Amino acid sequence: AQKITQTQPGMFVQEKEAVTLDCTYDTSDPSYGLFWYKQPSSGEMIFLIYQGSYDQQNATEGRYSLNFQKARKSANLVISASQLGDSAMYFCAFRGYSTLTFGKGTMLLVSP
Amino acid sequence: DTGVSQDPRHKITKRGQNVTFRCDPISEHNRLYWYRQTLGQGPEFLTYFQNEAQLEKSRLLSDRFSAERPKGSFSTLEIQRTEQGDSAMYLCASSYYRAGANVLTFGAGSRLTVL
Repeated sequence: AQKITQTQPGMFVQEKEAVTLDCTYDTSDPSYGLFWYKQPSSGEMIFLIYQGSYDQQNATEGRYSLNFQKARKSANLVISASQLGDSAMYFCAFRGYSTLTFGKGTMLLVSP
Repeated sequence: DTGVSQDPRHKITKRGQNVTFRCDPISEHNRLYWYRQTLGQGPEFLTYFQNEAQLEKSRLLSDRFSAERPKGSFSTLEIQRTEQGDSAMYLCASSYYRAGANVLTFGAGSRLTVL
């Protein structure tokens, strides 16, 4: 079974600074995908970024980038130039053959 | 199309009662998923459908839980004889399956409180 781990329960960052949220996974699947979702206090899960296991380059979406290190089985999310609206829970998720498995999440608080 | 809709958004019920949640996915999406999220945890997979076929069920889905997607469009999740441990946010998501990303789009969730 796949396992996904987010070791940081909470992170603090000042506005306009960059922050890295950690995610590691464990799998024997040869092909898989890694996702990051944001969950603000309103509760809705918002898709941020995707990385396929065979993608040669790290994924980027605006201020979000995914630092994918396949050999280390890590898929860290980097948020550049943090904004107050980035304060939320962030979930890393793994997809093997079918379903999406989520980590426990990291609460990010951005201060002015 | 405004995304994935879930109804009701909030439900308070007494232990032992039955509850039903409805999910309307994005119309062109052929896969529909149900997840459960308790406080301080990530979403946990319950079940998913491809069109009207229920292809996978988690062992979290006890025999008190049943999900249907009768015409491959909307889905319902019914919980019979609710218990206090069923209190959680029930999230529905949909996707259009293709090789590669298969990004799930989530609804806002239905929050269940069992008294």
